[in-house]
Amino acid sequence: GAGVSQSPSNKVTEKGKDVELRCDPISGHTALYWYRQSLGQGLEFLIYFQGNSAPDKSGLPSDRFSAERTGGSVSTLTIQRTQQEDSAVYLCASSLGAKGGQPQHFGDGTRLSIL
Amino acid sequence: GEDVEQSLFLSVREGDSSVINCTYTDSSSTYLYWYKQEPGAGLQLLTYIFSNMDMKQDQRLTVLLNKKDKHLSLRIADTQTGDSAIYFCAVLGLNDYKLSFGAGTTVTVRA
Repeated sequence: GAGVSQSPSNKVTEKGKDVELRCDPISGHTALYWYRQSLGQGLEFLIYFQGNSAPDKSGLPSDRFSAERTGGSVSTLTIQRTQQEDSAVYLCASSLGAKGGQPQHFGDGTRLSIL
Repeated sequence: GEDVEQSLFLSVREGDSSVINCTYTDSSSTYLYWYKQEPGAGLQLLTYIFSNMDMKQDQRLTVLLNKKDKHLSLRIADTQTGDSAIYFCAVLGLNDYKLSFGAGTTVTVRA
């Protein structure tokens, strides 16, 4: 069975460009999460999707960040006008449900480098 | 948010047991997880425990939970070179879904 799939695995781009990161959750998982892993901040929650409910965007660091989830499956995280401080590993996770301690399973991440 | 603390480094001889410790501040933490991260990879779920349990064993892994002291530990028996990685402790409240992570413990296994 496939795990959480993220693409691209690595992305290098110039400051000011927009980037799109993709996440394919495990089939049947209704909850999807984005986290960011950076040297200075450790692992931080960014955004959460559960079924058809409104997403929890409380962790997005600025309005340059947005995310959507189409058809309750694939999710895209978009960063507009990238800055050097956006350089990090962006991790996606999915779980069977959001409550009851259902374990979150992570993909291998997208390593984003802003020049 | 929840504060989760771990020691940053652990060096262990191959074949010995490793013990990685974690403390947390929120007494309502209900679900506690251990993840492993190898270089260039994402987080691999190793094991987890619910707050109504004191101990959970899964092959070479033993998780101990002391709710009173808000202390969680992961013991790896017969540590192998493939166990070299960063280990993250993460906690979740009863009705929460945002994992709070520790900074990670880098485990180095020496021959």
